[in-house]
Amino acid sequence: GAVVSQHPSRVICKSGTSVKIECRSLDFQATTMFWYRQFPKQSLMLMATSNEGSKATYEQGVEKDKFLINHASLTLSTLTVTSAHPEDSSFYICSAATPDRMTEAFFGQGTRLTVV
Amino acid sequence: GQNIDQPTEMTATEGAIVQINCTYQTSGFNGLFWYQQHAGEAPTFLSYNVLDGLEEKGRFSSFLSRSKGYSYLLLKELQMKDSASYLCAVRDRDYKLSFGAGTTVTVRA
Repeated sequence: GAVVSQHPSRVICKSGTSVKIECRSLDFQATTMFWYRQFPKQSLMLMATSNEGSKATYEQGVEKDKFLINHASLTLSTLTVTSAHPEDSSFYICSAATPDRMTEAFFGQGTRLTVV
Repeated sequence: GQNIDQPTEMTATEGAIVQINCTYQTSGFNGLFWYQQHAGEAPTFLSYNVLDGLEEKGRFSSFLSRSKGYSYLLLKELQMKDSASYLCAVRDRDYKLSFGAGTTVTVRA
């Protein structure tokens, strides 16, 4: 079946630094990728929608200058958390979608970000 | 937008059946998903409904009524490994998934 690979699975960074998270669709072309954030004991909250070759669309309350999203190809989207702060510590998960496969939404393995 | 409600917690005995309800209000319904999530892990796909009715996959079944904005996930022959959070998610026509808060199911021996 289709696979979405997310890397890294865990990252610890110092406050003020930037972290890049990659999301790859391995055996299909993802026209759209989604980035979610999940705080402990809470559900997934959509941060932004990324379409290949165009600017990402951010959900209300998500700072686009802090969470930079790039979707340069049909198989790769990246999320960069800039100037990270401890409150950015969370579980970040990407999801990929394609009109050819409507019966499932494919998730990456998630990235546990800890900012110290 | 979406407004998705599901119970916070449920407890059941090993071997029993548990039904997790999900109600939603949405603009542009394009499918409903159920996911299982263990702590610290990404969600795992369980089921997908886009038409009314029951979809059965082994021990798990999911039901949808679009007119009522209602779905349930039925877990049969519960096993200890089924202890997890179960997420109801509604997709819109832009392929966005909106998640409910999740239902934590605890299976007791």
